[in-house]
Amino acid sequence: EAGVAQSPRYKIIEKRQSVAFWCNPISGHATLYWYQQILGQGPKLLIQFQNNGVVDDSQLPKDRFSAERLKGVDSTLKIQPAKLEDSAVYLCASSLVSQETQYFGPGTRLLVL
Amino acid sequence: KQEVTQIPAALSVPEGENLVLNCSFTDSAIYNLQWFRQDPGKGLTSLLLIQSSQREQTSGRLNASLDKSSGRSTLYIAASQPGDSATYLCAPNDYKLSFGAGTTVTVRA
Repeated sequence: EAGVAQSPRYKIIEKRQSVAFWCNPISGHATLYWYQQILGQGPKLLIQFQNNGVVDDSQLPKDRFSAERLKGVDSTLKIQPAKLEDSAVYLCASSLVSQETQYFGPGTRLLVL
Repeated sequence: KQEVTQIPAALSVPEGENLVLNCSFTDSAIYNLQWFRQDPGKGLTSLLLIQSSQREQTSGRLNASLDKSSGRSTLYIAASQPGDSATYLCAPNDYKLSFGAGTTVTVRA
């Protein structure tokens, strides 16, 4: 079974630029999550989708972050404009249904200069 | 808001020793709790999921216990090996996963 795929793996941008990350969950998984992991900390949930609807985006900085999950499969997370404090690893995860085991992708490492 | 604490922050042991990793959380109204492993520069790998109704869950050399009423979980790793070196994260699930900062384990050959 293929795992969660993410791209790109690494991204370096200047502050105030925009960036987008892509995630393809495990086939058949209805729930998709985006997490932000700052160095030395545990991941923090940014947004959770159930199929293509948003379940929880309470910790998403909506003035600069946006996410969508078209057709209930792939998802993109966008940051515009980026700030220095957005430097982190962005992890995508999926689960068959909510409250079940979450499977994580390899992450995208973002550095904002 | 769920607060998760993992003690110790780092641990170094000789090969063969048993590992005990502790996790405490503030809100006991959880559905389940997951333990993950994270290797440097990698994503998270799920190790065990223990339901709120369970006291223990085992997989190979790994055993996780859960005391929901006191807000504690412990991960035991028997007969540690150098390949067990990683950061271990616990995540109680109320309506979402909340993570601690993890325990970084080094197993010396």
